[in-house]
Amino acid sequence: AQTVTQSQPEMSVQEAETVTLSCTYDTSENNYYLFWYKQPPSRQMILVIRQEAYKQQNATENRFSVNFQKAAKSFSLKISDSQLGDTAMYFCAFMKQWNAGGTSYGKLTFGQGTILTVHP
Amino acid sequence: EPEVTQTPSHQVTQMGQEVILRCVPISNHLYFYWYRQILGQKVEFLVSFYNNEISEKSEIFDDQFSVERPDGSNFTLKIRSTKLEDSAMYFCASVSGTGSTFGSGTRLTVV
Repeated sequence: AQTVTQSQPEMSVQEAETVTLSCTYDTSENNYYLFWYKQPPSRQMILVIRQEAYKQQNATENRFSVNFQKAAKSFSLKISDSQLGDTAMYFCAFMKQWNAGGTSYGKLTFGQGTILTVHP
Repeated sequence: EPEVTQTPSHQVTQMGQEVILRCVPISNHLYFYWYRQILGQKVEFLVSFYNNEISEKSEIFDDQFSVERPDGSNFTLKIRSTKLEDSAMYFCASVSGTGSTFGSGTRLTVV
């Protein structure tokens, strides 16, 4: 079974500054995906960024980037130029890669979440 | 961009009543999920559905819960006799090769 750990229950940052959210995971799988989801006060789950484990290059999406360390099983999210609209709960999540005959493809295992507050 | 639609957005029900939460997943997806999030806590897997049957379920998904996809479009989660501790946000997710698309959730309040 997979586990995902987010050790920072809460973080805060000043607008325009950079913040990094931590995530570690444990798995015996070699091929998998990692995600960061944003959950604003509306409680909708919004995909921020996705990383395939077989890719050495870290994923980036505009102001969001990850530091993926496969050997250390670490997957941190960096938010640059923080904006007030980034205030939300952020979840790290793990998904096994699809395999032939698999009937539970797409199952996500979530961390506990980090509440990020961006201050003006 | 295709969306996953969930209804209702908020439901209040009395303890012991049955509730049905509805989801319309993305039409060409094959794997469907229900997750639950108790307020302030992490998102927990409830059940996965593939090829018109349950493929995996968690310990939370006991006999009070059921899922079905009766008409090939709607994907429903039924709670037969709600308890106070069923109060939570329930998310439906539809899965493609690139990951999950979540609905906007149903907030269930059991009073």
